[in-house]
Amino acid sequence: GAGVSQSPSNKVTEKGKDVELRCDPISGHTALYWYRQSLGQGLEFLIYFQGNSAPDKSGLPSDRFSAERTGGSVSTLTIQRTQQEDSAVYLCASSLGPSGGSYEQYFGPGTRLTVT
Amino acid sequence: KQEVTQIPAALSVPEGENLVLNCSFTDSAIYNLQWFRQDPGKGLTSLLLIQSSQREQTSGRLNASLDKSSGRSTLYIAASQPGDSATYLCAGGNFGNEKLTFGTGTRLTIIP
Repeated sequence: GAGVSQSPSNKVTEKGKDVELRCDPISGHTALYWYRQSLGQGLEFLIYFQGNSAPDKSGLPSDRFSAERTGGSVSTLTIQRTQQEDSAVYLCASSLGPSGGSYEQYFGPGTRLTVT
Repeated sequence: KQEVTQIPAALSVPEGENLVLNCSFTDSAIYNLQWFRQDPGKGLTSLLLIQSSQREQTSGRLNASLDKSSGRSTLYIAASQPGDSATYLCAGGNFGNEKLTFGTGTRLTIIP
């Protein structure tokens, strides 16, 4: 079946602009995760959605970052007033989660964000 | 707080050799450990997931083990091939906290 998809694959934006990154998880996966991969920081957790529970936002680096998940499926990560340090690859993953009995996470191809 | 370490950062071996990649973690309350490979410019591909109740998992030429008491996991690759060249990442998650904490990876090069 289809894997996790993300769009756009690449995004170049000017400093100070807002950007939206989209993630479509694997159908039936109730858990959705956002991670960021940058040269200096490696792969770091941003936010986690599980079903209808309140999301775990503990990894968001500042209040310029927000995410939502509509209808328990598609998720959008929004970065407001982008800064150069936001340049990174943003990765989305999904899993069946605790209700599905599996925590194995499947990753999308990522969105490469460049802030100029 | 879980911390994950992978040493060495890079490894080169001749084709056909067996090899072991190492992963260390600090919190023995780890619930699951997942190994991934990442090809340049690509996302992560899941290789194996080991839950805390298991000691090892196998898939084809790959075998991953988990030793919670020593805080270590290993990924064994048998009969290495040039197509195995990639960066290998391990990541751990604790029960009730499903976010993964990643190591910095080992960049593996198989020399034909």
